[in-house]
Amino acid sequence: ELKVEQNPLFLSMQEGKNYTIYCNYSTTSDRLYWYRQDPGKSLESLFVLLSNGAVKQEGRLMASLDTKARLSTLHITAAVHDLSATYFCAVDMSGGSQGNLIFGKGTKLSVKP
Amino acid sequence: GAGVSQSPRYKVAKRGQDVALRCDPISGHVSLFWYQQALGQGPEFLTYFQNEAQLDKSGLPSDRFFAERPEGSVSTLKIQRTQQEDSAVYLCASSLDWGGGYGYTFGSGTRLTVV
Repeated sequence: ELKVEQNPLFLSMQEGKNYTIYCNYSTTSDRLYWYRQDPGKSLESLFVLLSNGAVKQEGRLMASLDTKARLSTLHITAAVHDLSATYFCAVDMSGGSQGNLIFGKGTKLSVKP
Repeated sequence: GAGVSQSPRYKVAKRGQDVALRCDPISGHVSLFWYQQALGQGPEFLTYFQNEAQLDKSGLPSDRFFAERPEGSVSTLKIQRTQQEDSAVYLCASSLDWGGGYGYTFGSGTRLTVV
């Protein structure tokens, strides 16, 4: 069965702290995507990771992909309130031939002052 | 347009009614996807078009669901004889290529409530 598992599902952080969200998936893939979703809004693309060892950074967020371990991480550095949202990872299990994504359940992040 | 446009933004349907949801992808985008997102869950794949060809409809939950993209641009997702379990947000996404190398852009979604 194709599965994408995120943990934690809920994360309450204090401003200024660091934390990592994990995304494990069940079958071989070298294409992984991270999205952010604010309440009632659509999905905003954060990172596109297309190869083993890929690392991308944007502001306080950094994502990495280890295809051998079937693991991606989203690292948050010095969290601020504006990062409060739900974060989804999504994996292309078709090997890039098709592109339909399997999403995790999402990690709801709340950053408190 | 600049983004993926979906309409209507909200739709309330009486049980048994047919509905049609529209997606206008980014101009020139080859691939178009429909996803269903239940409350508090991640999106789930419904169907995929490459230009006008529907290449995968394995995620459509029943034969009441039908999607088309006749000219390879605008797409319509139709749900016949709606049921309460169809209540969800329906998201459309498009991509410049067929393999996701450029990522996917999602629309704002249509929130369907079946009463």
